[in-house]
Amino acid sequence: EDQVTQSPEALRLQEGESSSLNCSYTVSGLRGLFWYRQDPGKGPEFLFTLYSAGEEKEKERLKATLTKKESFLHITAPKPEDSATYLCAVQAGGGSYIPTFGRGTSLIVHP
Amino acid sequence: GAGVSQSPSNKVTEKGKDVELRCDPISGHTALYWYRQRLGQGLEFLIYFQGNSAPDKSGLPSDRFSAERTGESVSTLTIQRTQQEDSAVYLCASRDRTSGSWGFGPGTRLTVT
Repeated sequence: EDQVTQSPEALRLQEGESSSLNCSYTVSGLRGLFWYRQDPGKGPEFLFTLYSAGEEKEKERLKATLTKKESFLHITAPKPEDSATYLCAVQAGGGSYIPTFGRGTSLIVHP
Repeated sequence: GAGVSQSPSNKVTEKGKDVELRCDPISGHTALYWYRQRLGQGLEFLIYFQGNSAPDKSGLPSDRFSAERTGESVSTLTIQRTQQEDSAVYLCASRDRTSGSWGFGPGTRLTVT
């Protein structure tokens, strides 16, 4: 069974304090790993897709990396507006096109 | 361009009533998903449509749940004889399989009283 575990469940940072969120996964043949941001009361906002180990993608203060067992979402010098829940999802190979989601990391950045 | 839209944004219904939720995906996105998100929980897969292929209904929690999609456009999720445990936010997402990009709708918050 595909599993996705995100840690920590919650993270509080001071503005400017860089950190990383973790997404560890167990799937049979990774087809893709996705990161999303979700603000309260809204649907998830797509951030990145990573396909293979060693791949990295960046967007503003966010950088996503991928290994064979986990992905990290690095947040550099975060601002209060980065506060949100960050969701990770993986799509296994073998003909399945249904991503399995983790439970998310709730990030709060204090000014 | 336009994103995924869902209607209604909020729905309050009495236990035992039927409800219908609507999703308009991003134009050109052939894949469409319905997910359920209970308060403080992760996203729970319900059903997946891809083009004209038979939908993957493996996530539907009971036979009270059904969904349809017209070609590669609008989808409706129907919940019959609603129960209090059906209360949740129902999210629709569409995906471009070529680029891998996703769009999620804002969700429909369903409250069953």
